[in-house]
Amino acid sequence: GNSVTQMEGPVTLSEEAFLTINCTYTATGYPSLFWYVQYPGEGLQLLLKATKADDKGSNKGFEATYRKETTSFHLEKGSVQVSDSAVYFCALRVSDQFYFGTGTSLTVIP
Amino acid sequence: GAVVSQHPSWVICKSGTSVKIECRSLDFQATTMFWYRQFPKQSLMLMATSNEGSKATYEQGVEKDKFLINHASLTLSTLTVTSAHPEDSSFYICSARVAGASSYNEQFFGPGTRLTVL
Repeated sequence: GNSVTQMEGPVTLSEEAFLTINCTYTATGYPSLFWYVQYPGEGLQLLLKATKADDKGSNKGFEATYRKETTSFHLEKGSVQVSDSAVYFCALRVSDQFYFGTGTSLTVIP
Repeated sequence: GAVVSQHPSWVICKSGTSVKIECRSLDFQATTMFWYRQFPKQSLMLMATSNEGSKATYEQGVEKDKFLINHASLTLSTLTVTSAHPEDSSFYICSARVAGASSYNEQFFGPGTRLTVL
C-alpha cells in the first residue's frame, strides 16, 4: 500500500539552527513527493515537491531530495527563523490521490 | 497562482443541525475536488472525491448520507454535514485539481473550515 512516515514532533529549535525533518514512504507505482506547511489556523500550503527520483525540491531555503534507494524525502533548512514555526506534512501522490504523514510541529524560538 | 477558497472559515452549530461548507476554485476550473478531514494534531484523511456533474466517491468508512457532497459546477463543490454531532467537530479541507492535461494532477488546497458542534 501507500503510506508516509515522518518523524514525530514536536521539534523546538533556536533561531538559525539547522533543521531536518525525516520522511520515508512506501508506495506502489511512481509517486510524486511533497512537503506542505500549515501555519496556525490556516490550510495547507505547498512548500516544495519532487516528481521523480533524484529530483531536489527547494523553496524559501527549504530543500528535500527524492531518494528512491532509501525511499526518503527528508526536509532540511540550514538556518530556521521564528516565522518558520508551523506544522510540516510530508505527502506522496499516486495517480490522483494524496497520502499524508501525521505532521511534525516545529517551534523556533528567538 | 491557483487559489481555492472555503466558506465559512469557521462555524459553530448545535447538535442535530446541518452545516454546508463551500469550496471554490477562484481562478481556474476544477473537474475534481477532494474533501479531507483533519483531527487535532493528526494528518489529513481523504473523505471523498467529487467530480463535476457526477456522484462523489467516498472513502471506506465515510458515511455518504451524513456527508453530502455536491459538485454542480467547475468552480464549486459543497460538503453538507447533516445532523451534526460533537464527534463531527473537525477541520475540513478541500482541494481542487486543475483541469487540463498540462497541469494533470496539480491540486491546490483551500484554507480549511473549522466546524465545532455543541
